[in-house]
Amino acid sequence: DTGVSQNPRHKITKRGQNVTFRCDPISEHNRLYWYRQTLGQGPEFLTYFQNEAQLEKSRLLSDRFSAERPKGSFSTLEIQRTEQGDSAMYLCASSFDRGSPLHFGNGTRLTVT
Amino acid sequence: EDQVTQSPEALRLQEGESSSLNCSYTVSGLRGLFWYRQDPGKGPEFLFTLYSAGEEKEKERLKATLTKKESFLHITAPKPEDSATYLCAVQTSGYALNFGKGTSLLVTP
Repeated sequence: DTGVSQNPRHKITKRGQNVTFRCDPISEHNRLYWYRQTLGQGPEFLTYFQNEAQLEKSRLLSDRFSAERPKGSFSTLEIQRTEQGDSAMYLCASSFDRGSPLHFGNGTRLTVT
Repeated sequence: EDQVTQSPEALRLQEGESSSLNCSYTVSGLRGLFWYRQDPGKGPEFLFTLYSAGEEKEKERLKATLTKKESFLHITAPKPEDSATYLCAVQTSGYALNFGKGTSLLVTP
């Protein structure tokens, strides 16, 4: 069990650019979640995958955000036309089944200048 | 809409000074309540899951309890290494966990 891995750890980009983050979940976990966290706040849910199917998306997830999980393994989160308000820590988590605790990665910190 | 409120927002304790953190929730149909610890620059680390009122879980200096309206995280004789942000989250009918804003705990020697 090597834990949830996220890359890159830090990303600085200019407003209007596209960025993509990657998440590798714990290998036996078929459930994968993306969260966003800003300073002083708890993590906010963005989207959920069970295997390769995206089963739930938050109303917070604008059209500029898209997530994929091809083949039910790793996942990517893309933000198009970034805005300063997108600056945050993007956290990925995985779990074994519903009701099991989520195991989080250490996140990707995005700074939009 | 589900609501999770944690108090206090920040807490400073002397080493050895026991205290409790509170997580109150207003949800329709609680499936589980989770406690996490988060260190600066890191992702949340799982501590406990509680499923029903009256349930208690313990780990080292931490003990979590659950009632129908709130959960407490009791910290007994804390040490400086217990300094972190403690997050509470609830799971209801959906797949996601709904987090509170956390309590930032500082334990001084």
